[in-house]
Amino acid sequence: AQSVTQLDSQVPVFEEAPVELRCNYSSSVSVYLFWYVQYPNQGLQLLLKYLSGSTLVKGINGFEAEFNKSQTSFHLRKPSVHISDTAEYFCAVSEGQAGAGTALIFGKGTTLSVSS
Amino acid sequence: DVKVTQSSRYLVKRTGEKVFLECVQDMDHENMFWYRQDPGLGLRLIYFSYDVKMKEKGDIPEGYSVSREKKERFSLILESASTNQTSMYLCASSFSNQAGELFFGEGSRLTVL
Repeated sequence: AQSVTQLDSQVPVFEEAPVELRCNYSSSVSVYLFWYVQYPNQGLQLLLKYLSGSTLVKGINGFEAEFNKSQTSFHLRKPSVHISDTAEYFCAVSEGQAGAGTALIFGKGTTLSVSS
Repeated sequence: DVKVTQSSRYLVKRTGEKVFLECVQDMDHENMFWYRQDPGLGLRLIYFSYDVKMKEKGDIPEGYSVSREKKERFSLILESASTNQTSMYLCASSFSNQAGELFFGEGSRLTVL
């Protein structure tokens, strides 16, 4: 069975500092990987996704993530964060094509707190 | 823009009451999902549906049922609410051929007293 582990529950950083949010997954088959963001009092929105091809994926708001198959990781990075990046971030995995009969499995989330 | 609308942002119910949470999407998505979000536990899948009248159990279906009579509407039903069902409930939808790109509603925060 597939699972997702987000290694840090909370990450505090100062504004303009770089940040990395870590995500590891377990699956015996090929996977699709996603990062979602949830701003306070809002629903989740897609930040970026890896389906195939280049292992470095760029998303919205300057975020990027790198798929590492040998380490079964999909860490999220941003070189310089802003106060507005304060939110909860969720890593998610789907085995193969997430079409009929499949659903995403989410990690427990990482709260990113950016202070000035 | 895709819009997923959950009927109530906040509900307060009493133990034993029957609770309906409604979700409507306006993008003709085949797939619809109900997740439960709790602090420290992330999102857990309750049920999902990939077609009208079709449903699949997720990881935590106990105490819940669902209904999908029309493509755009997916309802979550708590037959007899209990205090351990106090939570944030998130509805999402997606096309069947767009792997994992879910569109979420803003959530329904349910408190069971």
